[in-house]
Amino acid sequence: DGGITQSPKYLFRKEGQNVTLSCEQNLNHDAMYWYRQDPGQGLRLIYYSQIVNDFQKGDIAEGYSVSREKKESFPLTVTSAQKNPTAFYLCASSLGFSGANVLTFGAGSRLTVL
Amino acid sequence: AQSVSQHNHHVILSEAASLELGCNYSYGGTVNLFWYVQYPGQHLQLLLKYFSGDPLVKGIKGFEAEFIKSKFSFNLRKPSVQWSDTAEYFCALMIYNQGGKLIFGQGTELSVKP
Repeated sequence: DGGITQSPKYLFRKEGQNVTLSCEQNLNHDAMYWYRQDPGQGLRLIYYSQIVNDFQKGDIAEGYSVSREKKESFPLTVTSAQKNPTAFYLCASSLGFSGANVLTFGAGSRLTVL
Repeated sequence: AQSVSQHNHHVILSEAASLELGCNYSYGGTVNLFWYVQYPGQHLQLLLKYFSGDPLVKGIKGFEAEFIKSKFSFNLRKPSVQWSDTAEYFCALMIYNQGGKLIFGQGTELSVKP
C-alpha cells in the first residue's frame, strides 16, 4: 500500500538532547511537509520541501532542522534549541507544490520531553 | 497574515442530530479550502475540498460544505451524525499562488453520544 510512514510513534527525550523523527513516503510525491500539532492550536507548518535537495522554513522553524537527500525521505531533527518540543508531529506529502494539491498525512510521532 | 478560524472548540451532539461546524478565513484572493478529519488514533484524512466551481461540495461519509466567498466561510454540515463521527475536524486554507502550504484552523472536537 502506498503511504507515509513515520517513526517512532512515541519518543521520550531528556532536555538538552537532539532527536530525529523519520518520515518516509512511497507515493512518489515531490513535496513533503512537517507540521506540529498542539491541543487547541491546530497544525502549524515547521518546514517544507518542494523537491529533493531543497527545503524552506515554515511558520515555526526555530529549533528544528530538516534534510531532503532522497525523494522519499524527509527527516526532522528537534534540537535542544526548541523551547517547547513536547508535541505531536505530522509529516505530509503532495504530488506537487501547486495550490491545487492535496496533502496526504502520516500517522504522526508523539514526542515528550522529560 | 492569512488565518483560519473555527468557531467551536468542542461540540457535543446526540446521534441523529444535525451538525454544522463553522470555518472562516482571512484572505482576499483565490483560495482552495479543505476539511480534514482525525478519528481517535488514526491518520488525518481528507473529508472534502473546494478548488473551484459549485460552491457546495460533497465529501465522504455524508458530509458537505458550502463555500460562501462574500462571507469568507466554508462551513461543514451533516444532516444526521452517527457515533462513529466522533473525531476532531480541521478546516484548512491553501492560497492558490503560494504553493502547497496548508494553513489550519484550531480544530473542533466533535463528540457524538449514542
